[in-house]
Order: sequence, then structure tokens, then C-alpha cells
Amino acid sequence: GDSVTQMEGPVTLSEEAFLTINCTYTATGYPSLFWYVQYPGEGLQLLLKATKADDKGSNKGFEATYRKETTSFHLEKGSVQVSDSAVYFCALKWQGGSEKLVFGKGTKLTVNP
Amino acid sequence: ETGVTQTPRHLVMGMTNKKSLKCEQHLGHNAMYWYKQSAKKPLELMFVYNFKEQTENNSVPSRFSPECPNSSHLFLHLHTLQPEDSALYLCASSQEAGGAYNEQFFGPGTRLTVL
Repeated sequence: GDSVTQMEGPVTLSEEAFLTINCTYTATGYPSLFWYVQYPGEGLQLLLKATKADDKGSNKGFEATYRKETTSFHLEKGSVQVSDSAVYFCALKWQGGSEKLVFGKGTKLTVNP
Repeated sequence: ETGVTQTPRHLVMGMTNKKSLKCEQHLGHNAMYWYKQSAKKPLELMFVYNFKEQTENNSVPSRFSPECPNSSHLFLHLHTLQPEDSALYLCASSQEAGGAYNEQFFGPGTRLTVL
């Protein structure tokens, strides 16, 4: 079945370091891809999305590119801040039909000053 | 603040208790969702309601009973739960179910502990 695999955490970085969180998926066809972020004590918030191959989603300095050939949607940020400390979830969803978002297990990021 | 509120934020209950979780959205959306977030497991979709009608039930045990009286409110009635049901229960809403661009807005969740 469809699945999303994220790099295992936790990830600990110093402020202004470069961030990459890997995400790959297995699915038939071409789903929409998402990154969600969950700050401590809060629900999930959509961070960025891409709906077709080669699309790049971006928001708050974060970017991810939909790579069909490698079935990947890696999250990157050039310079992280302490306020980026959170859990990041990669997810996929089929266009139309079921509303099921298939999530990865999440990657906890801690940024130290 | 996403426009989706959940109460209570924390709940401790025994296995013989009956309790309910409440979700309310102030976004004018027509679709609402319940998710379960357990430690070290991916987020799991439980139920989907679209225009007050249940459209998805992902093999959820009958001890979880959803109710959607209108498009703004969603409940999850709990009875005879097991300790393994302890988790964070997240509610979400979207404009309507269906479509690739249908962003789901999540509430802060209810942390449930079953003793």
C-alpha cells in the first residue's frame, strides 16, 4: 500500500545550520505531497505542498521539490532558527476520491542557540 | 490559532467510563476529520465527514463513535476504551472533502490517557 518514509529523528542543529529532512514515498500514480509542522502543544499546520512532478513548495524559508524519478520530497532550509524547533511530518494524498492523508512518522527537530 | 478548537485538551479516563471529545471549527468548512496520533506511529485517519455525512471510516473499533450534528461541530464518543487507545486525538477541517488542493486545518488535539 501507499506509504511515506521519513528520516528517523531526532535531529539537533545549531542556529543558522542547513537543514535537510528526507522523505520518500511509495505509491502508484502521482499523489499530492505535503509537509506539515507541529509545534509543541499544538496541532499540525500545513507548511508547504506540491501537487505535480517538479513542483517546488516553499514557505517560511523552507523548500521541497516533488521528484518523481526518485519518489522523494525532501525538506530543506538554508538557515534554521530556534523557533523552527518542532516535529515535521511528510504526507501524501491522492487527488480526488479518498481524503486520506498518509503521514510519515515525523521527525523531531531541535535547534539550539 | 488555526480556527479549529478542541475540548478538553487533556482527558484521563478509566476503561469503564464514557466520555466525549468535542471539535469546533470557525472557518466555514464543510468537511471534518478525526485523527489518532500515537507515539512512534504515523498519524492515522479515523473518520471523515463531508456535509455532515460520514464518508470514511478507516476500520475504527466501535468503542469510538463519531457524531457530526452540523458542519461546524464534530464529536468523538468514547466508551469501554483500552489502555492502547491512549493517544493524541486530532480534529481537522477543510473546505470540503475531495480535491488535491483541499488544505486541512488541524486543532491542537486532546491528549487522552486510558487507565
